[in-house]
Amino acid sequence: EVHLVESGGGLVQPGGSLRLSCAASGFSFSSHDMHWVRQGTGKGLEWVSAIDTAGDPHYPGSVRGRFTISRENAKNSLYLQMNSLTAGDTAMYYCVRASAGFDLWGRGTLVTVSS
Amino acid sequence: QSVLTQPPSVSAAPGQKVTISCSGSSSNIGNNYVSWYQQLPGTAPKLLIYDNNKRPSGIPDRFSGSKSGTSATLDITGLQTGDEADYHCATWDSSLSAGWVFGGGTKLTVL
Repeated sequence: EVHLVESGGGLVQPGGSLRLSCAASGFSFSSHDMHWVRQGTGKGLEWVSAIDTAGDPHYPGSVRGRFTISRENAKNSLYLQMNSLTAGDTAMYYCVRASAGFDLWGRGTLVTVSS
Repeated sequence: QSVLTQPPSVSAAPGQKVTISCSGSSSNIGNNYVSWYQQLPGTAPKLLIYDNNKRPSGIPDRFSGSKSGTSATLDITGLQTGDEADYHCATWDSSLSAGWVFGGGTKLTVL
């Protein structure tokens, strides 16, 4: 069965850093572009980053320069290094596989930025 | 403020049909495929429609999508109480700040 399982979320102070991980199973991880999408409480979805099969990253302006997406195909793993965190980054972070649409989502890991 | 505009809420009775709209511009919906996601309470989103009107395997044909110009719609027929959820549209935006964009989400209430 195909799965994405996120980990690494938690409480962090403003200005701090956090590294999220996503473990993929049940499919050919290296063959898919992968994304991180977040959702603040009671809010809509927001695309946070993407990495294609060649390892090239893409970011929206809201996180560019602060967040770094990476992948380790040998370990079927996706990562998100988040630096200089602010309260606005508080959200559930989802690891997402892109095929035709965002076709596979993990359950998410919660990041709370607060003092 | 989301790039794509959806109504915050819609409602209809069981068995009825509901339409959820998603409005954008030429830099996003007008020139790119639209996908739709269902998010049941307390769960992660799930792909309902991709490439404007295609359904992944396992998605019932009660769910259908369409696109015209810079707007897209999701139709749900034969409403069931289990359809009560948030629905999100998404597409690629090829403006200067290129990236994936979502609508603000629409809460469907089945009365």
